[in-house]
Amino acid sequence: KAGVTQTPRYLIKTRGQQVTLSCSPISGHRSVSWYQQTPGQGLQFLFEYFSETQRNKGNFPGRFSGRQFSNSRSEMNVSTLELGDSALYLCASRKTGSTDTQYFGPGTRLTVL
Amino acid sequence: AQSVTQPDIHITVSEGASLELRCNYSYGATPYLFWYVQSPGQGLQLLLKYFSGDTLVQGIKGFEAEFKRSQSSFNLRKPSVHWSDAAEYFCAVGRYNNNDMRFGAGTRLTVKP
Repeated sequence: KAGVTQTPRYLIKTRGQQVTLSCSPISGHRSVSWYQQTPGQGLQFLFEYFSETQRNKGNFPGRFSGRQFSNSRSEMNVSTLELGDSALYLCASRKTGSTDTQYFGPGTRLTVL
Repeated sequence: AQSVTQPDIHITVSEGASLELRCNYSYGATPYLFWYVQSPGQGLQLLLKYFSGDTLVQGIKGFEAEFKRSQSSFNLRKPSVHWSDAAEYFCAVGRYNNNDMRFGAGTRLTVKP
């Protein structure tokens, strides 16, 4: 069965632009979470979507937003990009509940110039 | 609030030697505990998880971890390290019905031939 896929894998943007990242979960998985990974802050939880609704949210500014579609695919958007938004953005999916294993995608490497 | 501490930023071991990676957590209730491994340029792969029951948990690739409530620890062990184990290892804590997992800063493992 195919794993979690993320597109694009690499992205270069300039300050002030906006960006949209995409995540396709494993078939049958209804929960999608997003994480930001940076050398300075490590892995930080952004938000989780389940059945098209945001279920949990981390401590990030409103410039970071997301959504989930009826097929469980998810997108996250970052508006007004800042240099500090340069990071690896990881998407993870799981079936439903918190005891289900969470599977991570390979990530999207975002560089903001 | 839950948090995770991995005291060792970098560990070097010889191939064939035993390994122990330390993880301490802070959480008010019964935690869900995880160990993930990340190879360069890759997403995270789950090694093992603990929710309840037997405090010694077996995972993939010959890894095991022991939950010690009295010490708030969940250390990862492997009896004999292989060169392919070189990677970064993350300990994480989660809670019931919430995908807001908190990750440690990670321990980078180098394996000497």
